[in-house]
Amino acid sequence: AQSVTQPDIHITVSEGASLELRCNYSYGATPYLFWYVQSPGQGLQLLLKYFSGDTLVQGIKGFEAEFKRSQSSFNLRKPSVHWSDAAEYFCAVGGLGGTASKLTFGTGTRLQVTL
Amino acid sequence: DTGVSQNPRHKITKRGQNVTFRCDPISEHNRLYWYRQTLGQGPEFLTYFQNEAQLEKSRLLSDRFSAERPKGSFSTLEIQRTEQGDSAMYLCASSLFRTVQETQYFGPGTRLLVL
Repeated sequence: AQSVTQPDIHITVSEGASLELRCNYSYGATPYLFWYVQSPGQGLQLLLKYFSGDTLVQGIKGFEAEFKRSQSSFNLRKPSVHWSDAAEYFCAVGGLGGTASKLTFGTGTRLQVTL
Repeated sequence: DTGVSQNPRHKITKRGQNVTFRCDPISEHNRLYWYRQTLGQGPEFLTYFQNEAQLEKSRLLSDRFSAERPKGSFSTLEIQRTEQGDSAMYLCASSLFRTVQETQYFGPGTRLLVL
């Protein structure tokens, strides 16, 4: 079975500060990894994805994530946070059966940005 | 590309009533997924279709739930005899499955409240 752990339920950062959101996954084979962002009452928007190759992936809105197989992690980073980044962030893993279908999500990290 | 759309966006119903939600995927996408998200949790997989074939159903999908995608385009999710525990956000996602590296794009969701 595949699973995802997001250890931080809530994070507060100041605007302009750097950000790192943690994600650990459990999966026996090569995982497909995703980060999505959800604003209140809205659906999920894809930030970035990892399938294979370069372990540092770039996404939209200045986000990046690094796949570390040895640590089973896929942490999301941003060098300088903007107030508009306040939202809930979900890490997800796919790969069961060899495809990215049937994503398993973490419980999310709520990001608050102070001005 | 108009994105994934879902209707209605909000639904309030009384316990015991039937409800139906509709999802229109991105036009060329051949896969369509349904997820359920309860407060404070990440989305949980319910079921998915490839064209009109329903390929997998989660154990979360009780007999009161039924999903269809009759012509391989839009999909409906029906809940019969609703219970208060069905209150959640129901999310639809679609993808173009050509290789294992598929990416799911989510709609805005339908928020269901069962009184």
